[in-house]
Amino acid sequence: GQNIDQPTEMTATEGAIVQINCTYQTSGFNGLFWYQQHAGEAPTFLSYNVLDGLEEKGRFSSFLSRSKGYSYLLLKELQMKDSASYLCAVKDDYKLSFGAGTTVTVRA
Amino acid sequence: EADIYQTPRYLVIGTGKKITLECSQTMGHDKMYWYQQDPGMELHLIHYSYGVNSTEKGDLSSESTVSRIRTEHFPLTLESARPSHTSQYLCASRWTGGTSEQFFGPGTRLTVL
Repeated sequence: GQNIDQPTEMTATEGAIVQINCTYQTSGFNGLFWYQQHAGEAPTFLSYNVLDGLEEKGRFSSFLSRSKGYSYLLLKELQMKDSASYLCAVKDDYKLSFGAGTTVTVRA
Repeated sequence: EADIYQTPRYLVIGTGKKITLECSQTMGHDKMYWYQQDPGMELHLIHYSYGVNSTEKGDLSSESTVSRIRTEHFPLTLESARPSHTSQYLCASRWTGGTSEQFFGPGTRLTVL
């Protein structure tokens, strides 16, 4: 089975940096995804890590340590539009298993 | 943008009715998925398919059924809708292997009265 943990909520100020942690214990591992989901909308893909290390895409970066079962998503230069839920998802051979999501609120 | 479509986007229906939620993708993806998500809550996988004529139940027990007769089409059916089925239903698809990003459809918001 899959056990994926991430904080429920985080609040930060516009222009700041926020780091969302995700820990996982899974029966199989073929990569870790981060998705963004605005309220009432479908999730959209942000990043993918399969090897240890940091992947950077503009204002968003994601890090993976397979030995520690740990990942984080780093959001820099926060904007109001970044207020959303951020989902950590682990892929096994067949499917993605999602964490409960972290709701990030960006305040002016 | 992902080419995955769901209809209807919104559905309000009475208890006991049979409904089918449609999902189609034009990317030729082999794997397709149905998730159920209540407002502010996590995604729960209810069905998935590896390919044509393959269907599997997901992590969350569901009274719905699915079929996969064509690669591009993965409909979900509720034989007798109940208020407990009120939720958002999200369809997704991806290729096997590689970075295999999973694309989501826009969702169907179902309300059973």
